[in-house]
Amino acid sequence: DTAVSQTPKYLVTQMGNDKSIKCEQNLGHDTMYWYKQDSKKFLKIMFSYNNKELIINETVPNRFSPKSPDKAHLNLHINSLELGDSAVYFCASSQESTRVKETQYFGPGTRLLVL
Amino acid sequence: GQSLEQPSEVTAVEGAIVQINCTYQTSGFYGLSWYQQHDGGAPTFLSYNALDGLEETGRFSSFLSRSDSYGYLLLQELQMKDSASYFCAVRAITGGGNKLTFGTGTQLKVEL
Repeated sequence: DTAVSQTPKYLVTQMGNDKSIKCEQNLGHDTMYWYKQDSKKFLKIMFSYNNKELIINETVPNRFSPKSPDKAHLNLHINSLELGDSAVYFCASSQESTRVKETQYFGPGTRLLVL
Repeated sequence: GQSLEQPSEVTAVEGAIVQINCTYQTSGFYGLSWYQQHDGGAPTFLSYNALDGLEETGRFSSFLSRSDSYGYLLLQELQMKDSASYFCAVRAITGGGNKLTFGTGTQLKVEL
């Protein structure tokens, strides 16, 4: 069973469209994250949710809206897609309340290409 | 803000030992992590140091000096499969919360 899963794996779309990426973790973790990795492999946190509550919101355009329906899911909706949004988006999870919180488990990534 | 520096690329031969350095600047420092990422893959956790000293996990070891704001990842008995990008990441408590900030990554190439 996949610990952290994301769908879709690949997403090719036109500028101006709205798209969503879904993430699910079956590790029982209480914290989930969205990261963006650009073409130079720079990995930057976008959002973090702890028990469905937003705790980190980096300087991200408000076209990006995360939603956490429950502890096991964190989805990312992107409105009015732009060329610069092309990147790999990784979901991750960790258990903040234990000593092993430093281990973040990453999903396989969603490769978004905006044309 | 936070900043991390690590070499962009390192090349070594199979069987050798390689050290990847990481220096950081941050307030609210909590610990230093290392992640490995193969091309096309996801980052995977390797190690974490919160206290000064060396942590060993098999062929990989990680070191931290909090007073020098410096750490390194040591890979021994290099294998071809170790060719990947290695990221150091600082865990810090800042105004933006308790978060992990990644360095720009070091591309390790292992040659025969």
